[in-house]
Amino acid sequence: GAVVSQHPSWVICKSGTSVKIECRSLDFQATTMFWYRQFPKQSLMLMATSNEGSKATYEQGVEKDKFLINHASLTLSTLTVTSAHPEDSSFYICSASSTLGSTDTQYFGPGTRLTVL
Amino acid sequence: SQKIEQNSEALNIQEGKTATLTCNYTNYSPAYLQWYRQDPGRGPVFLLLIRENEKEKRKERLKVTFDTTLKQSLFHITASQPADSATYLCALDTDGTSYGKLTFGQGTILTVHP
Repeated sequence: GAVVSQHPSWVICKSGTSVKIECRSLDFQATTMFWYRQFPKQSLMLMATSNEGSKATYEQGVEKDKFLINHASLTLSTLTVTSAHPEDSSFYICSASSTLGSTDTQYFGPGTRLTVL
Repeated sequence: SQKIEQNSEALNIQEGKTATLTCNYTNYSPAYLQWYRQDPGRGPVFLLLIRENEKEKRKERLKVTFDTTLKQSLFHITASQPADSATYLCALDTDGTSYGKLTFGQGTILTVHP
């Protein structure tokens, strides 16, 4: 149980285009999802916290107009990188938290590798 | 803000030995500390969680200790195997819950040689 999927697993796009990444909790409902970014040989950096039905909360230094987050249901959150540039190339990872039963922890997706040319 | 240091960017050990990884933190004491495993190109996989009032937690060949006085956690893998080779991350909660915002250390790359 407690599986989180991401789609796509990798994407290559041209500079200036927008890219949407989906994060789904497959077998549990996630009221909260988190989006992280990981550059090569660095650790995960939290970008934003996404709560179902409300606006996302962004960490300091993360542009909310550039990284659009939508959490429309208890099993789906999306991250849209708008007007992507090469410096946005990174590994984007989502996580979902569940407070049902004993699963009071976070479960991470497999990540999405974004390359902007 | 919380600062986390995982001593040793890389650790190389021989198969069968015990690997010990260190995680130190500054500023406030977290209610929870978690350890994750991350393989190249993959998301982190949860391993163990230890609460501030717990000294030690075990799961199969894994053992985690939590010393809130030293502000340190140790992560042990006994009888290590080449399949244990991966990056290990420690993470601390930043809002007092085990399912909330996490701050991650930079990770330790463990390589177990056959």
